[in-house]
Amino acid sequence: EAGVTQFPSHSVIEKGQTVTLRCDPISGHDNLYWYRRVMGKEIKFLLHFVKESKQDESGMPNNRFLAERTGGTYSTLKVQPAELEDSGVYFCASSQGTKFGANVLTFGAGSRLTVL
Amino acid sequence: QKEVEQNSGPLSVPEGAIASLNCTYSDRGSQSFFWYRQYSGKSPELIMFIYSNGDKEDGRFTAQLNKASQYVSLLIRDSQPSDSATYLCAVKDKYSGGGADGLTFGKGTHLIIQP
Repeated sequence: EAGVTQFPSHSVIEKGQTVTLRCDPISGHDNLYWYRRVMGKEIKFLLHFVKESKQDESGMPNNRFLAERTGGTYSTLKVQPAELEDSGVYFCASSQGTKFGANVLTFGAGSRLTVL
Repeated sequence: QKEVEQNSGPLSVPEGAIASLNCTYSDRGSQSFFWYRQYSGKSPELIMFIYSNGDKEDGRFTAQLNKASQYVSLLIRDSQPSDSATYLCAVKDKYSGGGADGLTFGKGTHLIIQP
């Protein structure tokens, strides 16, 4: 089966510009997550979709970040306007649901964002 | 503030030896515990998860959980150079997934297996 696909793999933009990251989860996975790793820090949770609904967006840094998952398939994460501190690797993960009581996530390779 | 602590390393282990990776967590409500392996520039890949106290074995890997001490570890037996990677510990405070919380990650331990 195809894994979690993210695009672009690397984006370099200037401060103030807009970037849109895309994630295609594994087919049939209702749960979709966005995480971010800033240089030198741990991977941090941003938000969680169940199908097209935002289940938890407590990790979103501020209102410059907008995530959507129209139709409950792929998701986009838009940063507008981008700031220097937004640089990092944005990971998407998906899961089918519970398995033996634990939610097993499959991660994509990440989209590296560099804001100059 | 939930925290997951790992020694960043690098942890250097000779080939064939046992590599021991440790992780502590601050939230006593944590219920599920995960070990991910990440090669440079690649996606984190799930190795094991555990949610009951004690040991769980899968091939060369053993996860150990001690909820009283808020401690989880990963042992890799017969270490191979291909095991060289960053190992991420993650915890979740809900027993069943798909709910409102995401995983809380540690910064990861960089493991180097010396041939």
